[in-house]
Amino acid sequence: GAVVSQHPSWVICKSGTSVKIECRSLDFQATTMFWYRQFPKQSLMLMATSNEGSKATYEQGVEKDKFLINHASLTLSTLTVTSAHPEDSSFYICSAELGDDYEQYFGPGTRLTVT
Amino acid sequence: AQSVTQLGSHVSVSEGALVLLRCNYSSSVPPYLFWYVQYPNQGLQLLLKYTSAATLVKGINGFEAEFKKSETSFHLTKPSAHMSDAAEYFCAVSNSGGYQKVTFGIGTKLQVIP
Repeated sequence: GAVVSQHPSWVICKSGTSVKIECRSLDFQATTMFWYRQFPKQSLMLMATSNEGSKATYEQGVEKDKFLINHASLTLSTLTVTSAHPEDSSFYICSAELGDDYEQYFGPGTRLTVT
Repeated sequence: AQSVTQLGSHVSVSEGALVLLRCNYSSSVPPYLFWYVQYPNQGLQLLLKYTSAATLVKGINGFEAEFKKSETSFHLTKPSAHMSDAAEYFCAVSNSGGYQKVTFGIGTKLQVIP
């Protein structure tokens, strides 16, 4: 089946630093990947849609300059949280869309803790 | 605009009892509907999906859901709960055709009592 990985699975960083999270589709090519954020005991909130070879489309209220998304290849999208602050601490989940199936395959998530 | 409403943020059932998790949707076009399961500190796993074919959809782990257009519902059921079913369940909707955006419900935490 389609597998999506994320790296790292857990990261702790100091306030003011930047953190990069990778999302990879391991056995398929994904033109479109999605980045979600999940706060404790809440649902997933779509942050942005990442398209290979073009700029990401951000949801309303998501700071483009803070959450940098790069989809440089058909198997890799990265999310960089710049100048992280404690309020950025969250569970970040990516997903990759496979073909015309309308199915998103989710990564295992990355827990970011900013101290 | 599309949205889903999950009734009941917490549901408790006894092991072996029927599991019923409720989901109602709102969509301006024929929807695609999904149920996902999330175990602690993990991503989402697709349980089942409705994509305008059969209205009764069977998924993994013995779960199934029925699409009822007249009730705008897509409730998730399982005849007999197992301890391993304890998890968070998310109902989601996306507009069929074209570019996809999935909107998730707030989730229902299922507790299975031995």
